[in-house]
Amino acid sequence: GDSVTQMEGPVTLSEEAFLTINCTYTATGYPSLFWYVQYPGEGLQLLLKATKADDKGSNKGFEATYRKETTSFHLEKGSVQVSDSAVYFCALSDRDGNNRKLIWGLGTSLAVNP
Amino acid sequence: DAGVIQSPRHEVTEMGQEVTLRCKPISGHNSLFWYRQTMMRGLELLIYFNNNVPIDDSGMPEDRFSAKMPNASFSTLKIQPSEPRDSAVYFCASSLGYLAKNIQYFGAGTRLSVL
Repeated sequence: GDSVTQMEGPVTLSEEAFLTINCTYTATGYPSLFWYVQYPGEGLQLLLKATKADDKGSNKGFEATYRKETTSFHLEKGSVQVSDSAVYFCALSDRDGNNRKLIWGLGTSLAVNP
Repeated sequence: DAGVIQSPRHEVTEMGQEVTLRCKPISGHNSLFWYRQTMMRGLELLIYFNNNVPIDDSGMPEDRFSAKMPNASFSTLKIQPSEPRDSAVYFCASSLGYLAKNIQYFGAGTRLSVL
């Protein structure tokens, strides 16, 4: 079945460091890919998404490119801030809409130190 | 918009007691999802509704769990009787449409501790 694999955390960085959180997937069909973020004490919220190969999703300085050839959707940010400390979830869905569930990764915890 | 509202935010109960978690989705959204989050298993979809009708409850772990959506603005997740292994954070999410590609909006969650 479809699955999402994220790099294990926690990831600890200093402020202004470069961030990469790896996400790879296994899916049939043509999934849409998502990154959700969960700030401490809050629910998940959509960070960015991409719906087809080579699409780049971006938001709040974060970017991720849908790479069909490597089945990856790595999250990157050039300069992290303390306020980016959160748990990041990669997820996929079937683009054709037949898959009525989001398939979630286990989440990667990021801590940014000042 | 107030977003998805869950209550209570924290619940501590004793094993064997009944627990009811509540959710108010975003007005106008017609799909509602219940998730459970634990360190060991991550985020698990328990059940989802479309237009107040349960569509898929295959994620509900046992008969002790039940969920209802009596109208478009309210849903409950009930655990009876509760067990310590039910301790987790329970999230409710809503969306426009139940297709997985639609963006889901999450509540802040209910942290349940069963002693």
